[in-house]
Amino acid sequence: DIQMTQSPSSLSASVGDRVTITCRASQGIRNYLAWYQQKPGKIPKLLIYAASTLQSGVPSRFSGSGSGADFTLTISSLQPEDVATYYCQEYHSAPLTFGGGTKVEIK
Amino acid sequence: QVQLVQSGAEVKKPGASVKVSCKASGYTFISYAMHWVRQAPGQRLEWMGWINAGDGETKYSQKFQGRVTITRDTSANTAHMELSSLRSEDTAVYYCARGEPYTALIFDYWGQGTLVTVSS
Repeated sequence: DIQMTQSPSSLSASVGDRVTITCRASQGIRNYLAWYQQKPGKIPKLLIYAASTLQSGVPSRFSGSGSGADFTLTISSLQPEDVATYYCQEYHSAPLTFGGGTKVEIK
Repeated sequence: QVQLVQSGAEVKKPGASVKVSCKASGYTFISYAMHWVRQAPGQRLEWMGWINAGDGETKYSQKFQGRVTITRDTSANTAHMELSSLRSEDTAVYYCARGEPYTALIFDYWGQGTLVTVSS
């Protein structure tokens, strides 16, 4: 199974800050990576797929990059509504696996 | 609009089975895959398996092989996930999630989740 490791596990930043979350795969997964946002008490929401393609309706302050084993999710200007836990997910091979999540809070 | 509506919360005893339903609307059910993902308290999301709603083909995570069965009823646009031999570690929120049309392996719509509690 491919292991997905996210860092940091949590972060606190100010409104307007640039926030970066990393996700590392235990082996190369090309660009078969998605990012999800899960707000407290809510269901996950697809943000990005194919490592860098923004899902329709997702604000442009979210962006993704990377290929192979190392990936990044960036929020260019953190907003209060971005408080959530963010998960990466590989879809290179079954079983599909998720990272452990990064909890983003406002300072 | 696409909606996935799941059945209600369940409380089960260890050793029992649970069956969770997911009724789809707003799209052509048989044209998409349906996945099941669970989230135990404080844990990461965990993929359990999926079904091709068109031909009924299934694929399961090895972790759940032998204990999970995913089926679908095309006449009711509903997918079902049954987990047997329940243990306390199976206490979790269970989600159905639609596989997006190109890879079928990215989850573009999610059900509201069903809490399954396993307790004696």
